Amino acid sequence: KAGVTQTPRYLIKTRGQQVTLSCSPISGHRSVSWYQQTPGQGLQFLFEYFSETQRNKGNFPGRFSGRQFSNSRSEMNVSTLELGDSALYLCASSFTGSSGNTIYFGEGSWLTVV
Amino acid sequence: AQTVTQSQPEMSVQEAETVTLSCTYDTSESDYYLFWYKQPPSRQMILVIRQEAYKQQNATENRFSVNFQKAAKSFSLKISDSQLGDAAMYFCAYRTLPENYGGSQGNLIFGKGTKLSVKP
Repeated sequence: KAGVTQTPRYLIKTRGQQVTLSCSPISGHRSVSWYQQTPGQGLQFLFEYFSETQRNKGNFPGRFSGRQFSNSRSEMNVSTLELGDSALYLCASSFTGSSGNTIYFGEGSWLTVV
Repeated sequence: AQTVTQSQPEMSVQEAETVTLSCTYDTSESDYYLFWYKQPPSRQMILVIRQEAYKQQNATENRFSVNFQKAAKSFSLKISDSQLGDAAMYFCAYRTLPENYGGSQGNLIFGKGTKLSVKP
């Protein structure tokens, strides 16, 4: 069974540009969440999607947005990039319902803003 | 708000020895999940072990086991017979139960991590 797949794995953007990251969850998983990992702030929750609706949101500015499609795939977008947005962005998926609540992570997308 | 604290930024263990990583958390909820994740240099987060708060029995996965003390809000990870491949960052994480009406599955709150080195 394939794991959580994230694309692209590495990218470099210029300050002021925007970026879109993609995530395909494990087959059968309907909940997708995104996390940002930086050396200074550690791992921080960005947002969570389930059934194409944002269910939960972390403390990030409105420049960070996301969406989920009917096949559970998700994208996150960061507009007007800042140097501080350089980070590893991790996507995670989980099965919903009472039979399991473990979150599984993808390999991440490395974003460098120059 | 829930918080997770890992007080050991770095730990070192001799190959084949046992090491314990500490984690404490703060919450007012009575039911939740706790996890240990491993992040090797590849940076992929790998689930090591999970514990449901309502279960009194400590979780065990092969060489990995936890000491879950709910009243003390403590959740330590013990790695027995340490191997070179165990060298990684280890993160303790807390997750609330799914919401019935809001639909949230609950997000993870992570500690700052413990870097484990294994000496041959």
